[in-house]
Amino acid sequence: EAGVVQSPRYKIIEKKQPVAFWCNPISGHNTLYWYRQNLGQGPELLIRYENEEAVDDSQLPKDRFSAERLKGVDSTLKIQPAELGDSAVYLCASSSINGGGNSPLHFGNGTRLTVT
Amino acid sequence: QQQVKQSPQSLIVQKGGISIINCAYENTAFDYFPWYQQFPGKGPALLIAIRPDVSEKKEGRFTISFNKSAKQFSLHIMDSQPGDSATYFCAAGFSGGYNKLIFGAGTRLAVHP
Repeated sequence: EAGVVQSPRYKIIEKKQPVAFWCNPISGHNTLYWYRQNLGQGPELLIRYENEEAVDDSQLPKDRFSAERLKGVDSTLKIQPAELGDSAVYLCASSSINGGGNSPLHFGNGTRLTVT
Repeated sequence: QQQVKQSPQSLIVQKGGISIINCAYENTAFDYFPWYQQFPGKGPALLIAIRPDVSEKKEGRFTISFNKSAKQFSLHIMDSQPGDSATYFCAAGFSGGYNKLIFGAGTRLAVHP
């Protein structure tokens, strides 16, 4: 099966500029996650979707971050405006149920964002 | 109560040696403990996972040891190979219902030939 696809792989922007990341999950996976991975750290959940509904966005900085998952398939994560501290790798993951023991998370290769 | 503490931060092992990475969790409600392997430029990939009803799980050269009373679990890589050089993340979550994995900070493993 094709894996989780993310684009772009790299993005360099100046602070205060907007940026968007795109994710195409594994076909049939109804649950989609956006994680942020800071340098030298483990991934931290930003938002989780079940189909097109955002069921956990408690960790999403809503003043500047937004996400959508139209039609319950592809998803876009946006930052506007970007700050220096947003530099990180943004990972998308998907799972077929809820990511627990019976359905592990499958991660994409991430988008490395550098804010200058 | 949601933290997962991982050690060491980095590890150097000779080829053929045993690599051991440790994790400790706080929330006793966690019942799903996966390990993820991440190569540079790639996303994390599930390596092996355990539930607390067993004390050990082995898959090939990879073994998870689980100590429920101590709230600790560890990954053992037997006969470590240069191809095992990667960053390893432990995590903790729930096997049913909503699963919000809490990841450790990672261990960078280098296996020298």
